[in-house]
Amino acid sequence: GAVVSQHPSRVICKSGTSVKIECRSLDFQATTMFWYRQFPKKSLMLMATSNEGSKATYEQGVEKDKFLINHASLTLSTLTVTSAHPEDSSFYICSARDPGRSEETQYFGPGTRLLVL
Amino acid sequence: GNSVTQMEGPVTLSEEAFLTINCTYTATGYPSLFWYVQYPGEGLQLLLKATKADDKGSNKGFEATYRKETTSFHLEKGSVQVSDSAVYFCAFLNTNAGKSTFGDGTTLTVKP
Repeated sequence: GAVVSQHPSRVICKSGTSVKIECRSLDFQATTMFWYRQFPKKSLMLMATSNEGSKATYEQGVEKDKFLINHASLTLSTLTVTSAHPEDSSFYICSARDPGRSEETQYFGPGTRLLVL
Repeated sequence: GNSVTQMEGPVTLSEEAFLTINCTYTATGYPSLFWYVQYPGEGLQLLLKATKADDKGSNKGFEATYRKETTSFHLEKGSVQVSDSAVYFCAFLNTNAGKSTFGDGTTLTVKP
């Protein structure tokens, strides 16, 4: 099946620093990618929809200036957590749709665990 | 608004037991329905899906039928294995908005 990778898989940073997470579609071109946040023992919360070549669409309550999303190419979207604080610690997951396959199916990355000290 | 309600866990079963994880949804229109599985430390993997009423999705011995009249998509497996231990998420896709809504997940532990 289609593969989506994320890098890094785990990151620890100091409070106040910025962290960039990459999401890549390895064997297809994704015009749309999604960024989710997952809290412990909780569901996925959609943060934003990343559109190649245009601005991301953020969900209500998600700070655009805090979570910067760039979808610079058809295979790469990045999420930058700016001035990270301990409450930003979470599991961040991206997903992508392969336009060459079923429109309904999302392919998920393995996730990035962020710990802010 | 749109929502997914699935059976609270954790669920603990012995190997070869029958599994049911209930899932109901509230959505406008006719969404596509999914079950995803998340193994420890990994992202979500699509387990099965159904795109219209009365469709049955199946994979790896798991099944779920799209029931429009009860707005349900319960997951079943006749004989679980230890390797089925994971978190299972029910979800639907609102095709008009292009967004997915997930349930809170149900943790399944299968003991030998």
